[in-house]
Amino acid sequence: GAGVSQSPRYKVAKRGQDVALRCDPISGHVSLFWYQQALGQGPEFLTYFQNEAQLDKSGLPSDRFFAERPEGSVSTLKIQRTQQEDSAVYLCASRAGRTSSYEQYFGPGTRLTVT
Amino acid sequence: GENVEQHPSTLSVQEGDSAVIKCTYSDSASNYFPWYKQELGKRPQLIIDIRSNVGEKKDQRIAVTLNKTAKHFSLHITETQPEDSAVYFCAASKGAGGTSYGKLTFGQGTILTVHP
Repeated sequence: GAGVSQSPRYKVAKRGQDVALRCDPISGHVSLFWYQQALGQGPEFLTYFQNEAQLDKSGLPSDRFFAERPEGSVSTLKIQRTQQEDSAVYLCASRAGRTSSYEQYFGPGTRLTVT
Repeated sequence: GENVEQHPSTLSVQEGDSAVIKCTYSDSASNYFPWYKQELGKRPQLIIDIRSNVGEKKDQRIAVTLNKTAKHFSLHITETQPEDSAVYFCAASKGAGGTSYGKLTFGQGTILTVHP
């Protein structure tokens, strides 16, 4: 079946602009994660949703970052007043959500460049 | 929180040789250790994972070993091929339950180059 998809794949924003990044998880997957991957680094956790509930947002770097998953499927990561340090690849991952299921499936990411 | 260290940062081998990448973790409560392969501009893809109730797992040319006492785990690739060239990431998590929700903490990555 279809994997995790993300859009747009590339986004260029001028400093100060707001951006919205979309994630479509695998159908039926309960758990959804957002990670930020800086150039040459491993992904770093941003936030976690179980269905529509945001249960962990401890990784969000500032209050300019906001995520939602209102109907428990598609999720949007919004960054307000973008800064150059926000430039990174933003990865979304979904997991089936059963306690026996640990594997996370990643999307292709959105590469954000802030100029 | 969890901290994962990965070595080496780059690894260059000849086709047919073996490659070994090592990771250490800090949180003894971690119980799930996946390895991801990421080609340039592509999504991370799971290649193998291991849970803390086993010490070794093998899938064709790829194997992972886990030493819970020492808190380290390693990826072994045998008979390397040029298509194995990519960035490899290790990760650790506390599984799907609990208040960590299974979030992954990644190592810094290893750039593997397999020369024909």
